[in-house]
Amino acid sequence: DARVTQTPRDKVTEMGQEVTMRCQPILGHNTVFWYRQTMMQGLELLAYFRNRAPLDDSGMPKDRFSAEMPDATLATLKIQPSEPRDSAVYFCASGLAPGDTEAFFGQGTRLTVV
Amino acid sequence: AQSVTQLDSQVPVFEEAPVELRCNYSSSVSVYLFWYVQYPNQGLQLLLKYLSGSTLVKGINGFEAEFNKSQTSFHLRKPSVHISDTAEYFCAVSGIGGGNKLTFGTGTQLKVEL
Repeated sequence: DARVTQTPRDKVTEMGQEVTMRCQPILGHNTVFWYRQTMMQGLELLAYFRNRAPLDDSGMPKDRFSAEMPDATLATLKIQPSEPRDSAVYFCASGLAPGDTEAFFGQGTRLTVV
Repeated sequence: AQSVTQLDSQVPVFEEAPVELRCNYSSSVSVYLFWYVQYPNQGLQLLLKYLSGSTLVKGINGFEAEFNKSQTSFHLRKPSVHISDTAEYFCAVSGIGGGNKLTFGTGTQLKVEL
């Protein structure tokens, strides 16, 4: 059963701490997305990778957020230092482009910064 | 760039009644259109998608949607809803040739009541 796996599912951290969220895309997929979901802003695209290279990270606050793909089976999203306004659910999605148009979503990481 | 408008933030409906969730989009290029469903504390699951061809698209769980190019709409319908359809529904668009990058609407909370 192919699925996108995100860890951790829930994270509570104190303001100022570093947070790392991990994503294992579906095997064989070459496109990875990071989305953030909040009540106020809805679903926002933070970053987008194709074949491990960043194609678009314009939605990501550059001063504190960073996204990487160390290898084809792992994507990471880091926040340093974290702030209460970063509290949200962070979703990873993967797909296969060109050719397939669907993005498959993970269960999300619920981040609470206190 | 694309944008999506979901006019209704909440739609209450009685079980076995029909429902329509509205979605309008804006884009300077041709698009693919999607509807995703999100159950509480879950990721997003694809309901259906329009790529080309017939404007009436059938998806999972008895849902269907109709693409109307002149009205730039992609409304979601179900002839008879069930309690288990209670969830948040997101309309999304991606520009053809722009990869699988999705722009989401703000979502519609469908609440099915007995």
